[in-house]
Amino acid sequence: GNSVTQMEGPVTLSEEAFLTINCTYTATGYPSLFWYVQYPGEGLQLLLKATKADDKGSNKGFEATYRKETTSFHLEKGSVQVSDSAVYFCALWGSGAGSYQLTFGKGTKLSVIP
Amino acid sequence: DAGITQSPRHKVTETGTPVTLRCHQTENHRYMYWYRQDPGHGLRLIHYSYGVKDTDKGEVSDGYSVSRSKTEDFLLTLESATSSQTSVYFCAIRTEWDRGLNTEAFFGQGTRLTVV
Repeated sequence: GNSVTQMEGPVTLSEEAFLTINCTYTATGYPSLFWYVQYPGEGLQLLLKATKADDKGSNKGFEATYRKETTSFHLEKGSVQVSDSAVYFCALWGSGAGSYQLTFGKGTKLSVIP
Repeated sequence: DAGITQSPRHKVTETGTPVTLRCHQTENHRYMYWYRQDPGHGLRLIHYSYGVKDTDKGEVSDGYSVSRSKTEDFLLTLESATSSQTSVYFCAIRTEWDRGLNTEAFFGQGTRLTVV
């Protein structure tokens, strides 16, 4: 079945540092890939997505590129802010069999300190 | 928020009692989902629905049942709550366009359930 593996947290960075959160996946066919963000006490919000190989999703300074050859969708941001402190989830929506659900990684908690 | 409302937002219940959580949507989406979120596990699918009276199990369905008698409501029932069901429960809907080539999920605010 489909699966998503993302780097364990927590991750603590100083403000303006560079962020990378690694995400790799296992899926058949051509899944769509997503990053969701969860701020404390809130639900999940879609941060960005990519639907085919080599697509780059971007939003709020975050970027991720769909790499089919390495089955990866790493999240990056050049300069993090305290307001980026949250839990980040990588997820995929499969194609064909298994496309009925969104499969999540376990989440990576990011803390940004001033 | 795609018009998703979960109720209640918080609940404390005793072991062995039945509990029902409600998810209500206002935009007539076909697919609805119930996930649970636990530390170290991310979000795991409990049950989902692909239409009125059409439901199926997810990966952690034991101890849960669902019902969808109308498009806008998807109910999750814990028949006899156990401490292992203490969790945060999220409802989600699926949107599709471009004949299914594009799809996204939107989540409710969550229900924090504590079983004591």
